[in-house]
Amino acid sequence: AQSVTQPDIHITVSEGASLELRCNYSYGATPYLFWYVQSPGQGLQLLLKYFSGDTLVQGIKGFEAEFKRSQSSFNLRKPSVHWSDAAEYFCAVGEGGRRALTFGSGTRLQVQP
Amino acid sequence: DAGVIQSPRHEVTEMGQEVTLRCKPISGHNSLFWYRQTMMRGLELLIYFNNNVPIDDSGMPEDRFSAKMPNASFSTLKIQPSEPRDSAVYFCASSLADGDNEQFFGPGTRLTVL
Repeated sequence: AQSVTQPDIHITVSEGASLELRCNYSYGATPYLFWYVQSPGQGLQLLLKYFSGDTLVQGIKGFEAEFKRSQSSFNLRKPSVHWSDAAEYFCAVGEGGRRALTFGSGTRLQVQP
Repeated sequence: DAGVIQSPRHEVTEMGQEVTLRCKPISGHNSLFWYRQTMMRGLELLIYFNNNVPIDDSGMPEDRFSAKMPNASFSTLKIQPSEPRDSAVYFCASSLADGDNEQFFGPGTRLTVL
């Protein structure tokens, strides 16, 4: 069965600093990988996705993520964090033919002024 | 595009009462998912449908929970009888079955069972 691990429950960064959120997955084949963001009281919004091709993918709001098969990782990055990026971030993996996604436990990002 | 629509947005009920949550997926999407989010357990998949047919309901906690999708534009999640431990945010999401798994989420229903 597939699984997703987000080892950091809570991260605090200063505004303008760089950000990296970690995601590791367990899956036999090439997975479909996603990062979603959830602002307080809101649903989940897709930031970016990967399922083939270039292993560095660009998303909305200046985010990017890199798929590293050798490390089973799909870390999310942003070079300069804005206060509005404070939210919870979820990594998810899908199996392609199977429609359901498996979500990680989430990383809550706090941004200090 | 209206996105995934869920109603009600908030529901407060008393233990033992029946609760019905509703979802309208994005037009043209043929996969629909119900999730539950709690602090303790995070985001859990309850059930999903392809072309109105339930495919995997292994995440449904117990017989008190049931879900239906009578047509392509409507789904319900029912809890009968409700218990305080059912308090959570319930999300509905939809996607294209022939797509890349990207799911579009509704705003959620915050359920509080007293």
